[in-house]
Amino acid sequence: KAGVTQTPRYLIKTRGQQVTLSCSPISGHRSVSWYQQTPGQGLQFLFEYFSETQRNKGNFPGRFSGRQFSNSRSEMNVSTLELGDSALYLCASSLGRGWGNIQYFGAGTRLSVL
Amino acid sequence: TQLLEQSPQFLSIQEGENLTVYCNSSSVFSSLQWYRQEPGEGPVLLVTVVTGGEVKKLKRLTFQFGDARKDSSLHITAAQPGDTGLYLCAGWDYGQNFVFGPGTRLSVLP
Repeated sequence: KAGVTQTPRYLIKTRGQQVTLSCSPISGHRSVSWYQQTPGQGLQFLFEYFSETQRNKGNFPGRFSGRQFSNSRSEMNVSTLELGDSALYLCASSLGRGWGNIQYFGAGTRLSVL
Repeated sequence: TQLLEQSPQFLSIQEGENLTVYCNSSSVFSSLQWYRQEPGEGPVLLVTVVTGGEVKKLKRLTFQFGDARKDSSLHITAAQPGDTGLYLCAGWDYGQNFVFGPGTRLSVLP
């Protein structure tokens, strides 16, 4: 069974640009969550999608958005990039939502904003 | 303020030594999970503890969930260089939020 796949693995952008990251969950998993990981802040929750609907959102500005498709694949978009957006962006999938659901992570997309 | 606190933040030990890392909270969790993350990779699930007082063993790793479901520990026996990584605890709180601790960065020197 294939794991969570994130593409691309690495991205270099400049300030002001926008970027789209992709996540393919484990087959059969319907929940996809996104996290930002930085050395100073650790892993911070961005948002969660389930059945193509955003179910939960972390404390990030509106420049961060996402969506989920009918096949559960998800994309995350960051507009008007800032230097502070440089981070490892992780996607996790799980069968369902909430308690007892184990989250499986992809290898991440390393975004560098110059 | 972190909902989950981990200690120590950093740990550097020699191969063969034993170690314990801790995950604590003032909140009750329905379950706690431990992950290990290597540089440039995503976290990999090690174990989930669900029942208060539960002890789970995974080869040289022993995980314990506190009776009050507010804390957990990870004990590694005879650490090896392959155990090097960032150890993260995470869990579902009763508000249906999945939260992570800041992690313990372990370095095992040969």
